Order: sequence, then C-alpha cells, then structure tokens
Amino acid sequence: EAQVTQNPRYLITVTGKKLTVTCSQNMNHEYMSWYRQDPGLGLRQIYYSMNVEVTDKGDVPEGYKVSRKEKRNFPLILESPSPNQTSLYFCASSFDSGVTDTQYFGPGTRLTVL
Amino acid sequence: KQEVTQIPAALSVPEGENLVLNCSFTDSAIYNLQWFRQDPGKGLTSLLLIQSSQREQTSGRLNASLDKSSGRSTLYIAASQPGDSATYLCAVKPENTGGFKTIFGAGTRLFVKA
Repeated sequence: EAQVTQNPRYLITVTGKKLTVTCSQNMNHEYMSWYRQDPGLGLRQIYYSMNVEVTDKGDVPEGYKVSRKEKRNFPLILESPSPNQTSLYFCASSFDSGVTDTQYFGPGTRLTVL
Repeated sequence: KQEVTQIPAALSVPEGENLVLNCSFTDSAIYNLQWFRQDPGKGLTSLLLIQSSQREQTSGRLNASLDKSSGRSTLYIAASQPGDSATYLCAVKPENTGGFKTIFGAGTRLFVKA
C-alpha cells in the first residue's frame, strides 16, 4: 500500500530534550515536506526537500532541523524543544513539485512539550 | 506575501443540502490550488487539484472552481451526507516559490446532520 508513515504518533517531552520524528514514504517520491498545524492557523510549512541531500526552509523553520540522506526518509529534528513547538506535525510527499502533483500526507504526530 | 483565507470557519447543514465552501488568496500568481479533506486523528486526503490554467475540476459529488484573476476558489458539495463531515482545507502553490512551497488556509469545519 502506498503510504507516508510517521513515528511516533504521539509524544510528550520536556523542554530541551532532543527528539526526532521520523517520516518515510514508499512511493519513490522526490519531494517531501514537513508542516505544523495549530488551531486557527492552518498548516504552515517548516522545511521541504526536493531530493536527496537537497533541503530548504519553509515559512516557520526556526527551532527545527531536517536531513534527507535517503530518498524515502525525511526526519524532523528538534534539538532543544520548547513549549511553543507543541503542535500537530504532518509529513507529506509528492512525485515532484510540479503543477499537477498531489501531496500525500502522513497521519500526523501530536507533540506536547512541557 | 501570499495569504489564504477560508470562510466560513465552521458550517452545519442538514443532510441532503448542497453547499459551497469558499477559499480566497491574495496573489493570483499560483501554479495550482488544491482542496483537501482532514478527518480527526488522520492526515489530509487530496480531493481535487486545479492547475492555474484550468477553471474547474469534478470528482463525484464534488466540484471545485478556480477564478485566478479574482483570487477565489469554491468547493461545491452536492447532496451532502453525514460522512462528508470533516475539515476542508484549500492550499495554493505560489509561482514565486518555484512550486516548492504550499500555503494553506485555516480550513472550514463541516458538520452534516443526519
């Protein structure tokens, strides 16, 4: 089954404790992206990757890191989480970034930083 | 800077009613506009994608239109059903980002009463 998977689905942590949220897709997609969703604000793009070893900032990259060492994986790293990073996080992928390409989303990771 | 607005924020209708969800964007220079559905605890599912050169797309009971010059899109749902209850989001890909960024609206939460 074609899908985007994220782990963990739920995470409660404390301020300053480094964490990684994994994202993996099995569709051989080139483009991957991370979003956060907050009430009343919709989804905001954190980082995206056009291909292996090629990443760039979205609209809200502060406090986050990403890497793309393999085509299928795009982990999101919070080196020193803070309470304002409490949010619902989504990973997405598409074949490329073209005008006809639909993004496929993972199920989301709900992160709480105390 | 591109901004996407969705009105209303929430909508409750009786089963069987035809309804229209609205999406507006501030910059008409877009590659495409996409409508998504989000169910609680789940990721986003793409419903319809309209390229900038297109006026509308249809899928089953759904019809999405795009008026780029006025910065508006509508999602028409015919003969609504309780299973249509979800949050509907629209998103645009601005031309000045090379198609790599996606800007989302905050969504319209739809409740269809049986």
